[in-house]
Amino acid sequence: AQSVSQHNHHVILSEAASLELGCNYSYGGTVNLFWYVQYPGQHLQLLLKYFSGDPLVKGIKGFEAEFIKSKFSFNLRKPSVQWSDTAEYFCAVKGNTGFQKLVFGTGTRLLVSP
Amino acid sequence: GAGVSQSPSNKVTEKGKDVELRCDPISGHTALYWYRQSLGQGLEFLIYFQGNSAPDKSGLPSDRFSAERTGGSVSTLTIQRTQQEDSAVYLCASIGRPTRLTFGSGTRLTVV
Repeated sequence: AQSVSQHNHHVILSEAASLELGCNYSYGGTVNLFWYVQYPGQHLQLLLKYFSGDPLVKGIKGFEAEFIKSKFSFNLRKPSVQWSDTAEYFCAVKGNTGFQKLVFGTGTRLLVSP
Repeated sequence: GAGVSQSPSNKVTEKGKDVELRCDPISGHTALYWYRQSLGQGLEFLIYFQGNSAPDKSGLPSDRFSAERTGGSVSTLTIQRTQQEDSAVYLCASIGRPTRLTFGSGTRLTVV
């Protein structure tokens, strides 16, 4: 069964700082990978996803993530964060054969100070 | 509908009472998930439906939890004899083609 680890539970950054949130997964087959964001008081939204092809995927609001198969990682990055990026970020993985459930990490709470 | 609809948005119940949470997925989405989000626990998978059947219900915490889906559409999650540890936000999501999981805004359950 697949599992996801997000090692940073809380991250505090100043505006304009660069962001990298770690995500590692374990699964024996090919996977689909996702990052979701939950802004305060709102429901989960998809930031970006990887299915196949270019391992560097770009999402909304200037976010990107790189799939490194050899490291089983899918880290989320943004070159310059804004106060409005304050939110909780969830990495998720889904095996792409048959009926596989989407498994989430425990989330990383990002606070960006102005 | 345009999105995944969950009701009620908030529910406060007394310990020991039964509650029923409803999810209306996006029309045509055949797969439906229930998740639970507890403070500090991240997202916890509960059950997954493909059509009306549940190939994976491994995440249901106890036999007090059950879920059903009828007509390949609406799903209800029932919690019997609620306990305080059941307090959480219960999220429903449906999935269409190409793969895109869309979440509802959740039901915040508080057991007092």
